[in-house]
Amino acid sequence: DAGVTQSPTHLIKTRGQQVTLRCSPKSGHDTVSWYQQALGQGPQFIFQYYEEEERQRGNFPDRFSGHQFPNYSSELNVNALLLGDSALYLCASSLGAGSSTGELFFGEGSRLTVL
Amino acid sequence: ILNVEQSPQSLHVQEGDSTNFTCSFPSSNFYALHWYRWETAKSPEALFVMTLNGDEKKKGRISATLNTKEGYSYLYIKGSQPEDSATYLCAPIGGATNKLIFGTGTLLAVQP
Repeated sequence: DAGVTQSPTHLIKTRGQQVTLRCSPKSGHDTVSWYQQALGQGPQFIFQYYEEEERQRGNFPDRFSGHQFPNYSSELNVNALLLGDSALYLCASSLGAGSSTGELFFGEGSRLTVL
Repeated sequence: ILNVEQSPQSLHVQEGDSTNFTCSFPSSNFYALHWYRWETAKSPEALFVMTLNGDEKKKGRISATLNTKEGYSYLYIKGSQPEDSATYLCAPIGGATNKLIFGTGTLLAVQP
């Protein structure tokens, strides 16, 4: 049973560029959430996708967008990269978008460095 | 729920010591509290999901308690082992959602 997989594991971009990060959820899960973990902080919620739609969004600008595919996998896109976007981006999958008691299963993250 | 505080920020203990850390959160509109363990270079793993005031959960040497009226949860580790070294994150949820609001975590280092 494959867990949550993310790609790429590391990448380096320059300011102004665009990046796409990918996530495959745990088998059987239909909901994908994205988190950003900057240095010294806990993971910050970016948004959540369920049934191919963005269901919830954290306090992130429109430069951050996403997509969920029919197979439940998801992409996170960040446009016009800033130095401050350098962080570890975590994907988490779960079953059902409205369950506060369902644990999240996380991937190992994609480390983005913006130069 | 916006203000989640975890203390201490970091903790260094010797193998065999027992330890505990705190997660504080606003008590209003509480739905659930998640605890996660995050080892270096791995992915965060769920330890407990707690919902009821006074709830206590246990997994091996690790246990957690929850006080929703005063807005805190304690995580206890009995007889710490080097493999317990990790960052422990708490995340309360304030609504029928699974949007977790994480604290900054407590970094535990257990010296052999």
